[in-house]
Amino acid sequence: GQQVQQSPASLVLQEGENAELQCNFSTSLNSMQWFYQRPGGSLVSLFYNPSGTKHSGRLTSTTVIKERRSSLHISSSQTTDSGTYLCALTLYGSSGNKLIFGIGTLLSVKP
Amino acid sequence: EAAVTQSPRSKVAVTGGKVTLSCHQTNNHDYMYWYRQDTGHGLRLIHYSYVADSTEKGDIPDGYKASRPSQENFSLILELASLSQTAVYFCASSDARYSDYTFGSGTRLLVI
Repeated sequence: GQQVQQSPASLVLQEGENAELQCNFSTSLNSMQWFYQRPGGSLVSLFYNPSGTKHSGRLTSTTVIKERRSSLHISSSQTTDSGTYLCALTLYGSSGNKLIFGIGTLLSVKP
Repeated sequence: EAAVTQSPRSKVAVTGGKVTLSCHQTNNHDYMYWYRQDTGHGLRLIHYSYVADSTEKGDIPDGYKASRPSQENFSLILELASLSQTAVYFCASSDARYSDYTFGSGTRLLVI
Protein backbone atom coordinates (compact mmCIF):
# COMPACT_ATOMS: atom_id res chain seq x y z
CA GLY A 1 0.00 0.00 0.00
CA GLN A 2 0.92 3.62 -0.33
CA GLN A 3 3.33 4.71 2.36
CA VAL A 4 2.34 8.36 2.30
CA GLN A 5 -1.28 9.43 2.04
CA GLN A 6 -2.46 12.99 1.72
CA SER A 7 -5.86 14.50 2.28
CA PRO A 8 -7.87 16.11 0.96
CA ALA A 9 -7.03 15.41 -2.67
CA SER A 10 -8.26 18.86 -3.60
CA LEU A 11 -9.52 21.94 -1.81
CA VAL A 12 -11.18 25.16 -2.94
CA LEU A 13 -11.07 28.21 -0.70
CA GLN A 14 -12.19 31.78 -0.80
CA GLU A 15 -9.36 34.21 -0.27
CA GLY A 16 -8.84 34.80 3.43
CA GLU A 17 -9.99 31.36 4.55
CA ASN A 18 -7.70 28.94 6.35
CA ALA A 19 -6.67 25.49 5.15
CA GLU A 20 -5.52 22.35 6.93
CA LEU A 21 -3.72 19.75 4.84
CA GLN A 22 -2.99 16.30 6.21
CA CYS A 23 -0.31 13.74 5.58
CA ASN A 24 -0.36 10.25 7.07
CA PHE A 25 2.38 7.68 6.72
CA SER A 26 2.31 3.95 7.20
CA THR A 27 5.96 3.40 8.02
CA SER A 28 8.12 4.57 10.88
CA LEU A 29 8.96 8.20 10.50
CA ASN A 30 12.46 9.20 9.62
CA SER A 31 11.74 12.76 8.66
CA MET A 32 8.95 14.64 6.98
CA GLN A 33 9.08 17.45 4.46
CA TRP A 34 6.49 19.66 2.81
CA PHE A 35 6.84 21.04 -0.69
CA TYR A 36 4.85 23.47 -2.80
CA GLN A 37 4.53 22.92 -6.54
CA ARG A 38 3.49 25.81 -8.72
CA PRO A 39 1.00 24.95 -11.46
CA GLY A 40 3.06 23.31 -14.18
CA GLY A 41 6.24 24.15 -12.31
CA SER A 42 8.96 23.02 -10.01
CA LEU A 43 8.88 22.14 -6.33
CA VAL A 44 9.84 24.50 -3.56
CA SER A 45 10.71 23.24 -0.12
CA LEU A 46 8.43 24.66 2.58
CA PHE A 47 9.37 22.76 5.71
CA TYR A 48 11.75 20.13 6.91
CA ASN A 49 9.92 18.96 10.01
CA PRO A 50 10.82 15.62 11.56
CA SER A 51 8.84 16.41 14.71
CA GLY A 52 7.02 19.19 16.50
CA THR A 53 5.74 22.47 15.11
CA LYS A 54 7.42 24.93 12.79
CA HIS A 55 6.24 28.29 11.50
CA SER A 56 7.00 30.27 8.40
CA GLY A 57 4.88 33.34 7.77
CA ARG A 58 1.30 32.17 7.26
CA LEU A 59 2.34 28.52 7.17
CA THR A 60 2.56 26.14 10.12
CA SER A 61 3.71 22.53 9.98
CA THR A 62 3.07 20.07 12.80
CA THR A 63 4.44 16.54 12.86
CA VAL A 64 3.31 14.03 15.49
CA ILE A 65 5.57 11.02 15.29
CA LYS A 66 3.53 8.71 17.54
CA GLU A 67 0.44 9.26 15.43
CA ARG A 68 2.35 8.99 12.14
CA ARG A 69 0.95 12.20 10.75
CA SER A 70 1.98 15.64 9.69
CA SER A 71 -0.18 18.65 8.88
CA LEU A 72 0.26 21.91 7.04
CA HIS A 73 -1.87 24.85 8.09
CA ILE A 74 -2.29 27.84 5.80
CA SER A 75 -3.83 30.88 7.40
CA SER A 76 -5.50 33.79 5.60
CA SER A 77 -5.11 32.15 2.21
CA GLN A 78 -4.22 34.20 -0.86
CA THR A 79 -4.74 33.49 -4.55
CA THR A 80 -0.99 33.08 -4.89
CA ASP A 81 -1.19 30.07 -2.56
CA SER A 82 -2.90 28.10 -5.31
CA GLY A 83 -0.99 25.05 -6.43
CA THR A 84 -0.17 21.56 -5.23
CA TYR A 85 1.15 20.79 -1.77
CA LEU A 86 3.19 17.64 -1.41
CA CYS A 87 4.44 15.92 1.69
CA ALA A 88 7.35 13.53 1.55
CA LEU A 89 8.81 10.98 3.92
CA THR A 90 12.54 10.39 4.02
CA LEU A 91 13.50 6.74 4.18
CA TYR A 92 17.01 6.04 5.41
CA GLY A 93 18.77 3.07 3.89
CA SER A 94 22.19 1.50 3.60
CA SER A 95 22.50 2.75 0.01
CA GLY A 96 21.52 6.27 0.83
CA ASN A 97 18.27 7.98 1.53
CA LYS A 98 15.26 8.83 -0.56
CA LEU A 99 12.06 10.82 -0.43
CA ILE A 100 8.72 9.05 -0.74
CA PHE A 101 6.06 11.48 -1.88
CA GLY A 102 2.34 11.61 -1.39
CA ILE A 103 0.16 12.36 -4.40
CA GLY A 104 -0.49 15.86 -3.15
CA THR A 105 -3.32 18.23 -2.31
CA LEU A 106 -4.42 20.56 -5.10
CA LEU A 107 -5.36 23.90 -3.57
CA SER A 108 -7.31 26.55 -5.42
CA VAL A 109 -7.87 29.92 -3.77
CA LYS A 110 -10.56 32.07 -5.37
CA PRO A 111 -10.52 35.89 -5.16
CA GLU B 1 22.61 31.52 -6.69
CA ALA B 2 22.70 27.80 -6.01
CA ALA B 3 20.41 25.93 -8.30
CA VAL B 4 19.50 22.77 -10.16
CA THR B 5 19.29 23.18 -13.92
CA GLN B 6 17.68 20.63 -16.21
CA SER B 7 17.91 20.33 -19.94
CA PRO B 8 16.05 20.15 -22.17
CA ARG B 9 12.92 21.80 -20.77
CA SER B 10 10.80 19.71 -23.07
CA LYS B 11 11.35 17.03 -25.65
CA VAL B 12 9.43 14.94 -28.13
CA ALA B 13 10.98 11.53 -28.73
CA VAL B 14 10.14 8.68 -31.04
CA THR B 15 9.35 5.24 -29.65
CA GLY B 16 12.50 3.16 -29.61
CA GLY B 17 14.81 6.14 -29.74
CA LYS B 18 17.41 7.13 -27.18
CA VAL B 19 16.76 10.04 -24.85
CA THR B 20 19.19 11.71 -22.47
CA LEU B 21 18.03 14.14 -19.81
CA SER B 22 20.69 16.24 -18.16
CA CYS B 23 20.91 17.83 -14.74
CA HIS B 24 23.50 20.23 -13.32
CA GLN B 25 23.64 21.51 -9.75
CA THR B 26 25.65 24.30 -8.19
CA ASN B 27 24.62 23.53 -4.61
CA ASN B 28 27.71 21.47 -3.81
CA HIS B 29 25.33 18.72 -2.71
CA ASP B 30 26.41 15.12 -2.49
CA TYR B 31 23.02 13.61 -3.33
CA MET B 32 21.22 13.83 -6.64
CA TYR B 33 17.92 12.28 -7.71
CA TRP B 34 15.73 11.67 -10.72
CA TYR B 35 11.97 11.55 -10.23
CA ARG B 36 9.10 11.21 -12.64
CA GLN B 37 5.70 12.73 -12.07
CA ASP B 38 2.50 11.32 -13.48
CA THR B 39 -1.06 12.26 -12.74
CA GLY B 40 -2.36 10.09 -9.95
CA HIS B 41 1.06 8.79 -8.95
CA GLY B 42 2.83 11.81 -7.58
CA LEU B 43 6.61 11.80 -7.80
CA ARG B 44 8.38 8.47 -7.97
CA LEU B 45 12.09 7.92 -7.61
CA ILE B 46 13.86 6.44 -10.62
CA HIS B 47 17.57 6.59 -9.75
CA TYR B 48 19.70 8.46 -7.29
CA SER B 49 23.34 8.97 -6.44
CA TYR B 50 25.23 9.92 -3.30
CA VAL B 51 28.68 10.13 -4.83
CA ALA B 52 30.20 10.71 -8.23
CA ASP B 53 30.68 7.64 -10.44
CA SER B 54 28.05 5.71 -8.49
CA THR B 55 24.29 5.40 -8.94
CA GLU B 56 21.55 3.54 -7.10
CA LYS B 57 18.22 2.19 -8.27
CA GLY B 58 15.14 3.89 -6.95
CA ASP B 59 11.60 2.55 -6.89
CA ILE B 60 10.95 2.44 -10.66
CA PRO B 61 14.33 1.95 -12.40
CA ASP B 62 13.21 -0.35 -15.23
CA GLY B 63 13.81 1.18 -18.64
CA TYR B 64 16.13 3.86 -17.28
CA LYS B 65 19.84 4.22 -16.73
CA ALA B 66 21.64 6.93 -14.81
CA SER B 67 25.11 8.41 -14.95
CA ARG B 68 26.92 10.62 -12.42
CA PRO B 69 30.26 11.59 -13.98
CA SER B 70 30.90 14.38 -11.48
CA GLN B 71 29.41 15.83 -8.31
CA GLU B 72 27.63 18.50 -10.34
CA ASN B 73 26.15 16.41 -13.16
CA PHE B 74 23.59 13.64 -13.20
CA SER B 75 22.00 12.25 -16.36
CA LEU B 76 19.00 10.04 -16.98
CA ILE B 77 19.12 7.84 -20.06
CA LEU B 78 16.26 6.13 -21.82
CA GLU B 79 17.94 3.69 -24.20
CA LEU B 80 14.71 2.63 -25.90
CA ALA B 81 12.01 5.18 -25.21
CA SER B 82 8.50 3.84 -24.83
CA LEU B 83 5.08 5.47 -24.76
CA SER B 84 4.76 4.71 -21.04
CA GLN B 85 7.74 6.95 -20.33
CA THR B 86 5.81 10.06 -21.29
CA ALA B 87 5.92 12.11 -18.10
CA VAL B 88 7.47 15.10 -16.40
CA TYR B 89 10.94 14.38 -15.05
CA PHE B 90 12.46 16.23 -12.12
CA CYS B 91 16.04 16.28 -10.98
CA ALA B 92 16.88 17.23 -7.41
CA SER B 93 19.89 17.58 -5.17
CA SER B 94 20.18 17.42 -1.40
CA ASP B 95 22.72 17.88 1.32
CA ALA B 96 24.05 15.09 3.49
CA ARG B 97 21.46 15.78 6.18
CA TYR B 98 18.65 15.43 3.65
CA SER B 99 16.99 18.54 4.92
CA ASP B 100 17.84 20.85 2.04
CA TYR B 101 16.31 19.66 -1.21
CA THR B 102 16.43 21.71 -4.39
CA PHE B 103 14.46 20.68 -7.46
CA GLY B 104 14.99 21.59 -11.07
CA SER B 105 12.20 23.04 -13.19
CA GLY B 106 11.40 19.72 -14.82
CA THR B 107 11.58 18.21 -18.29
CA ARG B 108 8.37 17.42 -20.11
CA LEU B 109 8.96 14.32 -22.20
CA LEU B 110 6.48 13.18 -24.81
CA VAL B 111 7.16 9.84 -26.48
CA ILE B 112 5.24 9.28 -29.69
